[in-house]
Amino acid sequence: DAGVTQSPTHLIKTRGQQVTLRCSPKSGHDTVSWYQQALGQGPQFIFQYYEEEERQRGNFPDRFSGHQFPNYSSELNVNALLLGDSALYLCASSSISLAGNAGELFFGEGSRLTVL
Amino acid sequence: RKEVEQDPGPFNVPEGATVAFNCTYSNSASQSFFWYRQDCRKEPKLLMSVYSSGNEDGRFTAQLNRASQYISLLIRDSKLSDSATYLCVVNGGAGGGNKLTFGTGTQLKVEL
Repeated sequence: DAGVTQSPTHLIKTRGQQVTLRCSPKSGHDTVSWYQQALGQGPQFIFQYYEEEERQRGNFPDRFSGHQFPNYSSELNVNALLLGDSALYLCASSSISLAGNAGELFFGEGSRLTVL
Repeated sequence: RKEVEQDPGPFNVPEGATVAFNCTYSNSASQSFFWYRQDCRKEPKLLMSVYSSGNEDGRFTAQLNRASQYISLLIRDSKLSDSATYLCVVNGGAGGGNKLTFGTGTQLKVEL
């Protein structure tokens, strides 16, 4: 049973560029959430996708956008990269339909983005 | 004020020690509470849920005090393998849904 997979694992970009990160959720999960984790900080919620729509959003600017596909996989796009966007980007999957699992998110290993 | 606050540590303890971590949260409407564990350069993983009645899982005990908006984690008989960052996590409140709010984490180092 494949867990959450993310790609790429590492990437380096320069300021002003754009990046796309990809995530495949755990088998049987229909909801994907994206988190940004800066060094020494806890993960910060970016947004959540369910049924191909953004359902909730954290305190991130419009430069951060996403998409969910019919197979439940998801992309995170960041435009006009800033130095401060350097972080570990974590994708987490869950299932809306699994009652009682409201808090268990299964995380991928993350995509480590460095902006120079 | 941060939504979830934790002492970042590090807590350096000898093997076999008992160590306790505390966490406070600001949103009284929060619905559910968790401790996640994150090893160095790895993804967070659920350690345990936290209930008002308190719950135990082996050497780990979690407590929730809703009146004080306070969550704790107690680790007994610490092992070297317990060395990690422990993240206090709160779900629900404004916006609801499955949006988890993480604290900054408390780093634990268990030493020989």
